[in-house]
Amino acid sequence: DVKVTQSSRYLVKRTGEKVFLECVQDMDHENMFWYRQDPGLGLRLIYFSYDVKMKEKGDIPEGYSVSREKKERFSLILESASTNQTSMYLCASLEQGAEAFFGQGTRLTVV
Amino acid sequence: RKEVEQDPGPFNVPEGATVAFNCTYSNSASQSFFWYRQDCRKEPKLLMSVYSSGNEDGRFTAQLNRASQYISLLIRDSKLSDSATYLCVVSGNSGNTPLVFGKGTRLSVIA
Repeated sequence: DVKVTQSSRYLVKRTGEKVFLECVQDMDHENMFWYRQDPGLGLRLIYFSYDVKMKEKGDIPEGYSVSREKKERFSLILESASTNQTSMYLCASLEQGAEAFFGQGTRLTVV
Repeated sequence: RKEVEQDPGPFNVPEGATVAFNCTYSNSASQSFFWYRQDCRKEPKLLMSVYSSGNEDGRFTAQLNRASQYISLLIRDSKLSDSATYLCVVSGNSGNTPLVFGKGTRLSVIA
């Protein structure tokens, strides 16, 4: 059974903290993605990676960075968390041309 | 970035009804097309891929019209359990082309 695992289901952080969201997939996929989902705005792409050590900005990269040191792991970093980064964060992976598999999501609240 | 557009709904239909969703995409080079289903507070999950010739899976039929750049999803004999948000997803075939999601169409099937 294919799996994309996100490190936390729920997270509460303080403004200004550095936050790491981890995503691991066991399908040997090359492409991995980080989205955030907010009511009325749908899924918005933050960053994606199509190979180890490769990263591309998505539509809303400001305030975020990513790391892909190993093929199976794609980390999203909030350098200094702010309240407007309170959201549901979804990681996905796929083999190009095929379906995407999602992690269960991390609901982050920044207070 | 190119967009995918869907009617946000909500579509409120009685059990047993037939309901159709449409989705338009702007990138004519798009190669892969999918419908995903997302339940409240859950991650999106693949409902079905969409093939050029059209495809059917039980009560669900998906069609692709490349000339007009739209995708459709037809649900026959709606069940209460079909209530969810349906996301139209489009991707290219090159390694650095990410998935693009529509904002989703909300369906409520009413007893």
